[in-house]
Amino acid sequence: EIVMTQSPATLSVSPGERATLSCRASQSVSTNLAWYQQKPGQAPRLLIYGTSTRATGIPARFSGSGSGTEFTLTISSLQSEDFAVYYCHQYNDNWPYTFGQGTKLEIK
Amino acid sequence: EVQLVQSRAEVREPGESLKISCDVSGYIFTSYWIGWVRQMPGKGLEWMGIIYPSDSDTRYRPSFQGQVTISVDKSLGSAYLQWRSLKASDTAMYYCARLYGSMTFIDYWGQGTLVTVSS
Repeated sequence: EIVMTQSPATLSVSPGERATLSCRASQSVSTNLAWYQQKPGQAPRLLIYGTSTRATGIPARFSGSGSGTEFTLTISSLQSEDFAVYYCHQYNDNWPYTFGQGTKLEIK
Repeated sequence: EVQLVQSRAEVREPGESLKISCDVSGYIFTSYWIGWVRQMPGKGLEWMGIIYPSDSDTRYRPSFQGQVTISVDKSLGSAYLQWRSLKASDTAMYYCARLYGSMTFIDYWGQGTLVTVSS
């Protein structure tokens, strides 16, 4: 199965600053990559799919980029509600799909 | 409005059986894959398996094959995750989730069912 590796494990950023989260795949997943946000006690929420398409209702400060094996989620100006855990998820051709281990975005 | 509503939290002893459910509404149940995702305490998300309700085509992640059973009831619009003999290591939050389109990313999640296995 494809292994997804996220970095860093924890990212400390001040409100208003930019956050950059990385996700690497052990083999190419083309652009079949999604990002989810999970807050404590809540189910995950879809942010980005197809590497760079924002889901309905997701603010423009969230953006995704990459292809193949290297992907990035950028949050341009952090708001208080953005501090959470973020997961990447590959859904390339063959099952099983896999998640990264998560990046915790915390307030600096 | 698409909704996936999961059954309540459960507490069981090791060796007991359990079946949890996910009731969907707001879309055609048989047209989308449904999956189950495990989240152990303080840990990340893990795929367990997926099922296509129309024909019950089921795929398991290898590490879960034989450990759980995923099924659906088309007449009820419900998906299920079942264990025959629970272990303490099955203690986790379990999410059902709808896959967008033809087996792709998750676009909708259930609220989660917490399963606690303890003697």
